[in-house]
Amino acid sequence: DAEITQSPRHKITETGRQVTLACHQTWNHNNMFWYRQDLGHGLRLIHYSYGVQDTNKGEVSDGYSVSRSNTEDLPLTLESAASSQTSVYFCASSESSDEAFFGQGTRLTVV
Amino acid sequence: QKEVEQDPGPLSVPEGAIVSLNCTYSNSAFQYFMWYRQYSRKGPELLMYTYSSGNKEDGRFTAQVDKSSKYISLFIRDSQPSDSATYLCAMHGGATNKLIFGTGTLLAVQP
Repeated sequence: DAEITQSPRHKITETGRQVTLACHQTWNHNNMFWYRQDLGHGLRLIHYSYGVQDTNKGEVSDGYSVSRSNTEDLPLTLESAASSQTSVYFCASSESSDEAFFGQGTRLTVV
Repeated sequence: QKEVEQDPGPLSVPEGAIVSLNCTYSNSAFQYFMWYRQYSRKGPELLMYTYSSGNKEDGRFTAQVDKSSKYISLFIRDSQPSDSATYLCAMHGGATNKLIFGTGTLLAVQP
């Protein structure tokens, strides 16, 4: 069965370190998204991509970057982790206007 | 002003009650409206999907969209303890497929 997987599921890192969260989907979807989820804010869009070599900034993109070198993967990089980036991160993929499928999330703690 | 507003709750109801969840939005370009359900420590899963205005029913769930009022609702009939979760409304304008979420409403159905 097609799926979307995130790794790691849990990560603790120190302030100032570079961190990369992985997202891999086997749906062959063109659209991929990264969200962060925080209490009181719901899901906020960080970055998104509509295809290989395409990346776009969402509403909370500062301090984050993504790259899309193939259809299956959209890694999210925190250039210099800050305590404000402690959150649960979700990756999602979709095709056209259809349902977006979400991964199980990565719980990141920056200490 | 946020593009999508949702009452965060929490909402606690007895088993068998009718539950009403609501969202309002400001962007008139939104055409696709969704409700996602998220269990604790899991990724969101699509529950209902509606295009433009109108009603859609699926078992105990009914989604309503009123584009003239920029208001969407989700009704749950005969609520069950297994319905206890966070419910997130989401919407997009079609061309961008960029989902914008409400903050989510935490629902607890008491047996």
